[in-house]
Amino acid sequence: GDSVTQMEGPVTLSEEAFLTINCTYTATGYPSLFWYVQYPGEGLQLLLKATKADDKGSNKGFEATYRKETTSFHLEKGSVQVSDSAVYFCALSDRGNTPLVFGKGTRLSVIA
Amino acid sequence: GAVVSQHPSWVICKSGTSVKIECRSLDFQATTMFWYRQFPKQSLMLMATSNEGSKATYEQGVEKDKFLINHASLTLSTLTVTSAHPEDSSFYICSAPGGRGINEQFFGPGTRLTVL
Repeated sequence: GDSVTQMEGPVTLSEEAFLTINCTYTATGYPSLFWYVQYPGEGLQLLLKATKADDKGSNKGFEATYRKETTSFHLEKGSVQVSDSAVYFCALSDRGNTPLVFGKGTRLSVIA
Repeated sequence: GAVVSQHPSWVICKSGTSVKIECRSLDFQATTMFWYRQFPKQSLMLMATSNEGSKATYEQGVEKDKFLINHASLTLSTLTVTSAHPEDSSFYICSAPGGRGINEQFFGPGTRLTVL
């Protein structure tokens, strides 16, 4: 079945550092790929998405490119802020009416 | 974007009581909704798929008699935790697909259940 593997956390960075959170996937078809963010005590918010190969999703300074050849969707941000501290989930969806397949989540802590 | 609400956002109950959690799609119709459970510092675990007008589909290992799901209308699904026990304490999250041609899920803000 489909699966998502993302790097283990926690990740601790200093403010303004460069962030990469690796995500790879296994899917039979051509899934849509997502990054969700969960702030403490809250639900999930869509951060960005990409629906086909070579698409780049971006939002709030975060970027991820859908790489079909490496089955990857790594999340990057050039300069993190303390407010970016949260848990980040990589996910995929084969079809619109099916549940998302989530990675285990990566906890990011940014210190001033 | 589409909005999904959940009510209540948090609930504390005594062991043995039942708790109902509502999930509503506010500005779109959802024939399908998904219920997830999240333990502290863990990922989301799919519990069941709620289908409007028919029975829910439960994931393996989820007790359907304990977690009752009713999808009464195109905008409302409810999850009832029956005879709750402390081990049922968790964060429950629902989501709904965005509709035809929209390959995206919209998540509710979650309900934190604490069973004393």
